[in-house]
Amino acid sequence: AQSVTQPDIHITVSEGASLELRCNYSYGATPYLFWYVQSPGQGLQLLLKYFSGDTLVQGIKGFEAEFKRSQSSFNLRKPSVHWSDAAEYFCAVSRAGAGSYQLTFGKGTKLSVIP
Amino acid sequence: GAGVSQSPSNKVTEKGKDVELRCDPISGHTALYWYRQSLGQGLEFLIYFQGNSAPDKSGLPSDRFSAERTGGSVSTLTIQRTQQEDSAVYLCASSPRTGATADTQYFGPGTRLTVL
Repeated sequence: AQSVTQPDIHITVSEGASLELRCNYSYGATPYLFWYVQSPGQGLQLLLKYFSGDTLVQGIKGFEAEFKRSQSSFNLRKPSVHWSDAAEYFCAVSRAGAGSYQLTFGKGTKLSVIP
Repeated sequence: GAGVSQSPSNKVTEKGKDVELRCDPISGHTALYWYRQSLGQGLEFLIYFQGNSAPDKSGLPSDRFSAERTGGSVSTLTIQRTQQEDSAVYLCASSPRTGATADTQYFGPGTRLTVL
């Protein structure tokens, strides 16, 4: 079974600083990979996803993520954080092909932004 | 257009009571999912509906949990004889196609269930 680890429970950055949120997965083959964001009282919103091809994926709101097979990682980055980015971020995986609808989520990283 | 809606937004119940949680997916979406978000377990997959196919119930934690989807649209998640460990936010999502290639899942705002 696949699993996802987000090592950082809570990260605080200053507005304008760069951001990297870590995600490591465990799966026997190359999975599908996702990053979601959850703002307080809101549902999850997809930031970006990786299925295959170019390992650097661009998403919404200026986010990008890089798939590194050798490290089993899919870290989320943003060059300059805005106060509105404060939220909880979830990395998720699913198997490729049949059964790909079943997402397995990490425990999340809460991002706080200092003005 | 309208997103996924869920009702109620908050539900407080007493231990042992039954509860029903409702999900209205995005119009035209054929796939519907339920997840549970709790402090201890994080986000967990519960059940998946796709069209008229038999649902994937592999994530339901016990036989007290059941779900149905009427007319391929609205879904109801029912929890019988609620326990305190059922307290969580229940999230519903929908996606437009079969899910065979991991469609984007669009999530609702969730129902926060508190069992006293």
